[in-house]
Amino acid sequence: NAGVTQTPKFQVLKTGQSMTLQCAQDMNHNSMYWYRQDPGMGLRLIYYSASEGTTDKGEVPNGYNVSRLNKREFSLRLESAAPSQTSVYFCASSYVGLWGYTFGSGTRLTVV
Amino acid sequence: ELKVEQNPLFLSMQEGKNYTIYCNYSTTSDRLYWYRQDPGKSLESLFVLLSNGAVKQEGRLMASLDTKARLSTLHITAAVHDLSATYFCAVSFTGTASKLTFGTGTRLQVTL
Repeated sequence: NAGVTQTPKFQVLKTGQSMTLQCAQDMNHNSMYWYRQDPGMGLRLIYYSASEGTTDKGEVPNGYNVSRLNKREFSLRLESAAPSQTSVYFCASSYVGLWGYTFGSGTRLTVV
Repeated sequence: ELKVEQNPLFLSMQEGKNYTIYCNYSTTSDRLYWYRQDPGKSLESLFVLLSNGAVKQEGRLMASLDTKARLSTLHITAAVHDLSATYFCAVSFTGTASKLTFGTGTRLQVTL
């Protein structure tokens, strides 16, 4: 099915471990985004990539890094996981300035 | 500061009743979006509102935009249980390219 694919869907990490969340879209969208969702706080932007080869910080970038590998793929890396990074992570993509985002199914991450 | 505020945060309503969710934002916007999220699921796009006075309707949901008041409303007519979900508004603020700032969400529970 066309859309945004995120892996993994669930992950449990120990404090200090690292991991990479993968995201791929097959809609030829220019822009890709990583958000985190926490109860009562809506979705907050971590990093985004307006186009292939560019990335920029969002509202809550600390503790994360990203890579826009090509037009299709945008990964999010946690170098040293902390319990405060326990959250649901959503990847999204869009054409610049048009009809909003298409979201992936989310990754539920728990850091213990 | 770019802020989007929704109220109420939680809404319990009886089937057949009408209600309105409010979304206020802090400065000029290019577009405003409404999304729906079912528990444990991703976000689904409902409406995009582009200009002052815009009104969109789909079934029992109607969204409107007043850019002068920096206010959007999502009106629910004759609620049914299937509308139970969390609803988010999201704003593309002028000058921020296609980044969206989300409200905190309104959890709607429709009871018999």
